[in-house]
Amino acid sequence: GAVVSQHPSRVICKSGTSVKIECRSLDFQATTMFWYRQFPKQSLMLMATSNEGSKATYEQGVEKDKFLINHASLTLSTLTVTSAHPEDSSFYICSAVIEVRSSYNEQFFGPGTRLTVL
Amino acid sequence: KNEVEQSPQNLTAQEGEFITINCSYSVGISALHWLQQHPGGGIVSLFMLSSGKKKHGRLIATINIQEKHSSLHITASHPRDSAVYICAVGEGWGNEKLTFGTGTRLTIIP
Repeated sequence: GAVVSQHPSRVICKSGTSVKIECRSLDFQATTMFWYRQFPKQSLMLMATSNEGSKATYEQGVEKDKFLINHASLTLSTLTVTSAHPEDSSFYICSAVIEVRSSYNEQFFGPGTRLTVL
Repeated sequence: KNEVEQSPQNLTAQEGEFITINCSYSVGISALHWLQQHPGGGIVSLFMLSSGKKKHGRLIATINIQEKHSSLHITASHPRDSAVYICAVGEGWGNEKLTFGTGTRLTIIP
């Protein structure tokens, strides 16, 4: 299947700093990427939908100024957690959509990034 | 909004046992995903299906659209199958926002 990578896989930072997480589709072009957040022992929660060349669509309750998303190319989307605080500590996962054929798409998930804010 | 429920929440079994994990949802969908999440956190997509049955190795996924229910089966379970299995549903063909179940934590004892 298609491969989606995330970088870094793990990051520890001090409160107040900004952290950038990259999501790349390695062997396909993805017009749509999703960003999810997962708290311990909970399921994934969609944060935003990222479309190449346009502004991201954020889910209700997600601060767009806090979580900046840039989808600069068909293979790269970035999530920047600005002025991170300990409550932002979480596991962040991206997924990318590939159009297999007309009206049929598949979604592939990245390995996730564990963010710890001290 | 679709409500996705999985059962059981936790399952411990002996190596070799046949495993069944269930997923029910409340609103009609176009596609259902089964995902596997290992302790390190990474997620692997196991199946995406909209009808019938799919098989990959020792894994089998079935879906009944009328009953809004899907099952994931693991035959001849092995300790490396220990993971959290997550059911997710969407209303489009893969490029739509997914609603996730809370997951089933499976532990296979040697």
